[in-house]
Amino acid sequence: DTAVSQTPKYLVTQMGNDKSIKCEQNLGHDTMYWYKQDSKKFLKIMFSYNNKELIINETVPNRFSPKSPDKAHLNLHINSLELGDSAVYFCASSQGPRPTDTQYFGPGTRLTVL
Amino acid sequence: GDSVTQMEGPVTLSEEAFLTINCTYTATGYPSLFWYVQYPGEGLQLLLKATKADDKGSNKGFEATYRKETTSFHLEKGSVQVSDSAVYFCALSPPGAGSYQLTFGKGTKLSVIP
Repeated sequence: DTAVSQTPKYLVTQMGNDKSIKCEQNLGHDTMYWYKQDSKKFLKIMFSYNNKELIINETVPNRFSPKSPDKAHLNLHINSLELGDSAVYFCASSQGPRPTDTQYFGPGTRLTVL
Repeated sequence: GDSVTQMEGPVTLSEEAFLTINCTYTATGYPSLFWYVQYPGEGLQLLLKATKADDKGSNKGFEATYRKETTSFHLEKGSVQVSDSAVYFCALSPPGAGSYQLTFGKGTKLSVIP
């Protein structure tokens, strides 16, 4: 029943490790996104894919690499984790990449880097 | 660039009080405007949206009117409930092809006390 799901929900890891967060949507949407929410609740887009192609790539360290194996999945891999990467990461999807398309969000993954 | 400014929180109201959360934006043309709500421990949910000037979005007793002349999209509710306690985000999506990324305000935390 879950429209946009993310795994894991919580992720605690040491500095320097590599980790992945997975996202899946069962809405049949073409477009998917990754957002980062910092400790002050500020949300900022990181990446967007449409039909498995990267269409938004904001100023994000190249330690972050999104991968979209198919339209229903958008995973986020992070290399060499740093303390500043601690945040809540939200996946979202929309029917298409249009301004009027509603984005549906997953429950978030809380990443804590120690 | 595009930006969204929301009133600073937190906002604390008694049950059945009137709610206004101010939101103003800076963008060229006619962006689409959104209010998202984030309940504790959850992802964002679309609350309402408006895609052209003078449109009124409404949902669950909340309303917001797209005012081009004042570049505003203030959120209102006539009588808040404890269950409305959440963080509210105003967002815009610029017009035009390829302009589908959401720009969020910093969020306004609302606490409703019985």
